[in-house]
Amino acid sequence: DAKTTQPTSMDCAEGRAANLPCNHSTISGNEYVYWYRQIHSQGPQYIIHGLKNNETNEMASLIITEDRKSSTLILPHATLRDTAVYYCIVRTGTASKLTFGTGTRLQVTL
Amino acid sequence: GAVVSQHPSRVICKSGTSVKIECRSLDFQATTMFWYRQFPKKSLMLMATSNEGSKATYEQGVEKDKFLINHASLTLSTLTVTSAHPEDSSFYICSASIVGREKLFFGSGTQLSVL
Repeated sequence: DAKTTQPTSMDCAEGRAANLPCNHSTISGNEYVYWYRQIHSQGPQYIIHGLKNNETNEMASLIITEDRKSSTLILPHATLRDTAVYYCIVRTGTASKLTFGTGTRLQVTL
Repeated sequence: GAVVSQHPSRVICKSGTSVKIECRSLDFQATTMFWYRQFPKKSLMLMATSNEGSKATYEQGVEKDKFLINHASLTLSTLTVTSAHPEDSSFYICSASIVGREKLFFGSGTQLSVL
């Protein structure tokens, strides 16, 4: 699976949009971009995934660049409960294994 | 949505004893389950892939005799930490996937403390 690079930490004011970047410059054509988050002492929670097109669900939006070498997870209105470590993972859709990197620690503040 | 239940959430044991952790898929059948380990402030590390009805596949550096994995049914996988030592203290997390679906679902994790 392709390696990803994320900033170690980010801060965001409550109510503002949180934009979390991810670099995956070695991604191959059949690899998906997945985002999970982990709140302290809990199992990871699925957020969203995509292949080429931008995706949106009730939790977030995923913007993938045209060359697919990077992506951005957008939490439109961050709340204190969104404070967590966010993992960007690249893997093939048919292979179930997820390899976690170091992730981005997002701190949402008042 | 699909739910993965993990039990117990927390266990404390004496050094030398064995501990079993259960991972169940509650509303779907999981032919494959995964076991991860996480140390404080570190990322998740894949330990092994558990396949229903066959032997588990362990990642490099993970002792298969130390961490016994059994996946006897399509809804249950167990991880047994044998002869636990303090260095085995960690957060263990299981995950499961639905055949043909791209998402992977995670349990809530088990905090193991070996005294």
